[in-house]
Amino acid sequence: ELQLVESGGGLVQPGGSLSLSCVASGFTFSSYWMTWVRQAPGKGLEWVADIKQDGSEKNYVDSVKGRFTIFRDNAKNSLYLQMHSLRDEDTAVYYCARRTSGRHYGCDVWGQGTVVTVSP
Amino acid sequence: EIVMTQSPGTLSVSPGEKATLSCRASQTVSSNLAWYQQKPGQAPRLLIYGASARAAGTPARFSGSGSGTEFTLTISSLQSEDFAVYYCQQYNNWPPITFGQGTRLEIK
Repeated sequence: ELQLVESGGGLVQPGGSLSLSCVASGFTFSSYWMTWVRQAPGKGLEWVADIKQDGSEKNYVDSVKGRFTIFRDNAKNSLYLQMHSLRDEDTAVYYCARRTSGRHYGCDVWGQGTVVTVSP
Repeated sequence: EIVMTQSPGTLSVSPGEKATLSCRASQTVSSNLAWYQQKPGQAPRLLIYGASARAAGTPARFSGSGSGTEFTLTISSLQSEDFAVYYCQQYNNWPPITFGQGTRLEIK
């Protein structure tokens, strides 16, 4: 079964840091681009970052550049999102997702999400 | 950044009827567009990629069309499980990947 399981969410004060993890199973993790997508309470989806199969290319939405770092450990089938200088507007459910293989960018496998709450 | 605009915000349709959801891009995205379905408390589910290709497991009643800046998701005969929020997403010019704000499909 294709599966992604996120962890690491929680309550953090503004300016604080948090590290999210996502463990993959049921597929060859090292063969896929991976993505983080977030969803603020009651809001739509927002792409946050992605990373190439070997970690050599990373992309970020402007609002998190310089604060968030995406990285992966293919030996552990794991994806990470390190978050610093957190702001109220970073409060969201954070999903990790697998990008489809080939030239299309659909996210065809999703985790259940982990909740990040930034509040004093 | 390409802005994706979905309409309507909410669509009320009776079971068994057809639903038509629209998505417009602020500039051309060719056919580099995906559609997702999201139910309350669940992660999104990929329905369509490449504007019209059904993802694995997507029922045939779901169809996507369009190219350039105008796209449509059509659900031919609504089933109870289809009532959800639908998002379009462009991947022609990335980063960033951008999503529409969503269309809520509700039971009439």
